[in-house]
Amino acid sequence: DQQVKQNSPSLSVQEGRISILNCDYTNSMFDYFLWYKKYPAEGPTFLISISSIKDKNEDGRFTVFLNKSAKHLSLHIVPSQPGDSAVYFCAASARGSNYKLTFGKGTLLTVNP
Amino acid sequence: NAGVTQTPKFQVLKTGQSMTLQCAQDMNHEYMSWYRQDPGMGLRLIHYSVGAGITDQGEVPNGYNVSRSTTEDFPLRLLSAAPSQTSVYFCASRRSTATISYNSPLHFGNGTRLTVT
Repeated sequence: DQQVKQNSPSLSVQEGRISILNCDYTNSMFDYFLWYKKYPAEGPTFLISISSIKDKNEDGRFTVFLNKSAKHLSLHIVPSQPGDSAVYFCAASARGSNYKLTFGKGTLLTVNP
Repeated sequence: NAGVTQTPKFQVLKTGQSMTLQCAQDMNHEYMSWYRQDPGMGLRLIHYSVGAGITDQGEVPNGYNVSRSTTEDFPLRLLSAAPSQTSVYFCASRRSTATISYNSPLHFGNGTRLTVT
């Protein structure tokens, strides 16, 4: 049973436009969410996170939105750049879960020049 | 700081062989973990450790052993490799002191690509 779902395996966007990556979760105990970016032949790197007490968190070109009632979060990248082309993983953790992170399957973002 | 270092980068094993994937971190992180990444499956937790001498199972622990004798090292052992263990393995660590809490991000190594024939 997949608790963190990224239903779009891939997304293609034009340089300068907005990229929106979506993530849904089913476990109501999740209270902290993270996005990781992964380039080929490298490990995932932390991008941005959000606590369940917030509904938005911004860091430069990256903004994460959380809709707790819908159990949905999204990552917005504005403006998108070719260097943003990577696989993006959504991850979630629950208080009391011994620090385990549950990952989605990832979305491959391609930003075309 | 080197961060999280994994060795080897690539490995080919025959079915039934054993090997150890090495993981070391120089950030004095209490928490360390192993994930595997398979096509279409995302990252799945194999084993994790919240400190030296303490380990626990993750989502897919069968066929793997771990131990944590030092803060820095967290090796993953395959006792009898199977083709189903062909995957990319990532080691990750983070701080987990009470003041930081559970929401400090994981720092990943660059992975070990393992093929079992």
